[in-house]
Amino acid sequence: DIQMTQSPSSLSASIGDRVTIPCRASQSIGNYLAWFQQKPGKAPKSLIYATSRLHDDVPSKFSGSGSGTDFTLTISSLQPEDFATYYCQQYHTYPPTFGGGTRVEIK
Amino acid sequence: EVQMVQSGAEVKEPGATVKISCRASGYTFIDHYMHWVQQAPGRRPEWMGLIDPEDGKTTYAEKFKSRVTMKVDRPARTVYMELSSLRSEDTAVYYCTTLAWNNNPYPAGWGQGTPVTVSS
Repeated sequence: DIQMTQSPSSLSASIGDRVTIPCRASQSIGNYLAWFQQKPGKAPKSLIYATSRLHDDVPSKFSGSGSGTDFTLTISSLQPEDFATYYCQQYHTYPPTFGGGTRVEIK
Repeated sequence: EVQMVQSGAEVKEPGATVKISCRASGYTFIDHYMHWVQQAPGRRPEWMGLIDPEDGKTTYAEKFKSRVTMKVDRPARTVYMELSSLRSEDTAVYYCTTLAWNNNPYPAGWGQGTPVTVSS
């Protein structure tokens, strides 16, 4: 299976900060990468697919980039509602696999 | 609006079987695979498998294939996931979801989750 690594597992940031969240695949996955946001006790929410395509209801402060094995989720200006855990997921190869998540905390 | 509504929380004894339902709305049901994802407490989500609502064909993750069954009721726009021979490690929240499968647009959605507790 393709291993997805997210490091750091948590980061602290302030309101208004630009935040970048990295994700690495154990082998090339082209651009078959998705990002999800999960708040405590809630279901994940789909943010991005195909590395950089935002779903319809996702604000433009979120963006994704990368290809091959290294990817990034960027939040341009962190707001209170953005404090959550973010997961990446590859769907290049069966089975789809998720990263361990990066928790974004208030500094 | 894309919506998935799942059945409620379950408490099961070890060795039992749990069956969870997921009713979808807001998109063309038969056009998109439905996936099931397990998330144990404090763990990353783990893909269990998928069902094609159009023809009922399934693909299961190796870890679960001996114990999981997924079915569809097309008129009811509902998919079901059954997990048998439950053990304590199956204590988790189970989600139905549409996930990206290729890079085409798709109706993104997640069910609210069904907590399953396995305990004697």
